[in-house]
Amino acid sequence: DIQMTQSPSSLSASVGDRVTITCRASQSISSYLNWYQQKPGKAPKLLIYAASSLQSGVPSRFSGSGSGTDFTLTISSLQPEDFATYYCQQSYSTTFTFGPGTKVDIK
Amino acid sequence: QLQLQESGPGLVKPSETLSLTCTVSGGSISSSSYYWGWIRQPPGKGLEWIGSIYYSGSTYYNPSLKSRVTISVDTSKNQFSLKLSSVTAADTAVYYCARLFGHYYYGSGSYYKTLDYWGQGTLVTVSS
Repeated sequence: DIQMTQSPSSLSASVGDRVTITCRASQSISSYLNWYQQKPGKAPKLLIYAASSLQSGVPSRFSGSGSGTDFTLTISSLQPEDFATYYCQQSYSTTFTFGPGTKVDIK
Repeated sequence: QLQLQESGPGLVKPSETLSLTCTVSGGSISSSSYYWGWIRQPPGKGLEWIGSIYYSGSTYYNPSLKSRVTISVDTSKNQFSLKLSSVTAADTAVYYCARLFGHYYYGSGSYYKTLDYWGQGTLVTVSS
């Protein structure tokens, strides 16, 4: 299995802050990397696919970058509705695997 | 608007079989463009991929669960189902169904798979 790690595991930030979350794969996955946002009691929501493509309807303050083993999700200006847990997920393998998540909460 | 809805028992006894169904509305499960998948999330923990199915019945399973998992599809009812046998407390989780959609990039010939629509999830507790 391809193992996914994320850092940090949690962070505290203020509205308007620029936030960066890192995801690393245990082997090269090219650009086969997706990002999801999950709020408490809700299903995950797709934000970014193919490492850097914005899913339809997702605000442009979300962006993704990276390829190979190292990836980044950036929120350019954190909004109140962005406080949530973020997961990366690889689709390089037919067995999808997710990162452990990064919880973004209010400072 | 596509909607997915999980249904099934919320409580299953240890060693028994967990059975869930996902009903798809607002679109056809028989579309050649999509696979359909199951994902689970133990309380307070991360997400685990269980497996997926195509309308033709072709399946992919997580090797860690493969010996206990069966995913099937009923195109006449626009539903697909999950069966997980010999459950233990470790199988207690919120179970989600989702649509698996692929973005094809003609330039590179790459096919990027995403989970773009999800059900609301259903909590299944394994306990006697």
